[in-house]
Amino acid sequence: KAGVTQTPRYLIKTRGQQVTLSCSPISGHRSVSWYQQTPGQGLQFLFEYFSETQRNKGNFPGRFSGRQFSNSRSEMNVSTLELGDSALYLCASSLVGTGYGNTEAFFGQGTRLTVV
Amino acid sequence: GENVEQHPSTLSVQEGDSAVIKCTYSDSASNYFPWYKQELGKRPQLIIDIRSNVGEKKDQRIAVTLNKTAKHFSLHITETQPEDSAVYFCAASMNSNYQLIWGAGTKLIIKP
Repeated sequence: KAGVTQTPRYLIKTRGQQVTLSCSPISGHRSVSWYQQTPGQGLQFLFEYFSETQRNKGNFPGRFSGRQFSNSRSEMNVSTLELGDSALYLCASSLVGTGYGNTEAFFGQGTRLTVV
Repeated sequence: GENVEQHPSTLSVQEGDSAVIKCTYSDSASNYFPWYKQELGKRPQLIIDIRSNVGEKKDQRIAVTLNKTAKHFSLHITETQPEDSAVYFCAASMNSNYQLIWGAGTKLIIKP
């Protein structure tokens, strides 16, 4: 079966701009989580969507937002970009949620965002 | 808030030797503990997981042990090989919202 697909793979944006990233989960998966990964900072949880509702949210400013569509595809938006937003953004899909036992999280390849 | 501490941040071992990575969690209600491996330039992938009703789980050269009393769990890799070089992340489920809390990662270097 097809894996998790993230588009685009690379983005270069200017400070102050906004950006939208897309994540298509594995067919049948209803949970999509988003993470920010920077060197030495591990995986920082942004938010999780389940059945079109934001179920959990990490400690990121309101400039980071997301949504999920009825087909479980999810988008993440960052407004008013800052240099510190440069990172690899990963999404992960799972059947019902990453923290549920025996519910593996499958990651996409990520979108590498560079803010200049 | 809840957190997971992971040590060491970098681990260098000789090929063929064993490697051990340790994680400590704070939520006593956590009941699911996965380990993910991220090779350079690739996505994280699940390599092994354990639930709280089990003390140890093995899969070929890798094993995970869980000590619920001490609230820590460890990843053991035996007979390390060059392809084991990667960053390893541990995680623990939060019982309140079933989110995973992630460790900061361990960069494992296998020396030839």
